[in-house]
Amino acid sequence: QVQLQESGPGLVKPSETLSLTCTVSGDSISSHYWSWIRQPPGKGLEWIGYVYFRGSTNYNPSLKSRITISIDPSKSHFSLKLTSVTAADTAVYFCARANSDYFFSLDSWGQGTLVTVSS
Amino acid sequence: DIQMTQSPSSLSASVGDRVTITCRASQSIGNYLNWYQQKPGKPPNLLIYAASSLQSGVPSRFSGSGSGTDFTLTISSLQPEDFAAYYCQQSYSTPRTFGPGTKVDIK
Repeated sequence: QVQLQESGPGLVKPSETLSLTCTVSGDSISSHYWSWIRQPPGKGLEWIGYVYFRGSTNYNPSLKSRITISIDPSKSHFSLKLTSVTAADTAVYFCARANSDYFFSLDSWGQGTLVTVSS
Repeated sequence: DIQMTQSPSSLSASVGDRVTITCRASQSIGNYLNWYQQKPGKPPNLLIYAASSLQSGVPSRFSGSGSGTDFTLTISSLQPEDFAAYYCQQSYSTPRTFGPGTKVDIK
């Protein structure tokens, strides 16, 4: 049973960089597509992007200029960096596995971590 | 980007009711359509993938249908634990996009 766990600061100042890590256990990170999704408080889900284990990435164009998703298979984790944050980036950030065997559905999720952008 | 819409945005129902939620894509996505359930304070949980395939461990009262642009999630007999928000998502192309959600609450 794969498990994912997000970690990182819960508070980021405006204009600074949000950095989160997702640690994967119970499954090899060397397959599938490892994804980030966010959800502003009380709102819907927004796909941020994914990284494939070989390092190729795909980002949401609405965020593309500000995001970097990377992977470290040796540590079984992948990471998100979002630069120049504003209050609009306040959200619960989820990491998830997009299963290439199941139509790229998001079949395993972390519990989510709330990141607040505030001075 | 492919836009996803859902209807209704919310509904009130009673235990035992049959509930149907509709999702529409702005262009054909084949059967690359997934459904998730989300309860407050929890991550989404995959219910249906590929429009009609039941995820392992999900009760059989949940079912999905459709292809192309129009899809449906049906709960055949609503249970107390089913009161939640439901989201559709297309995985046909990037950026992946979600519907705005349907909140199911108790009548």
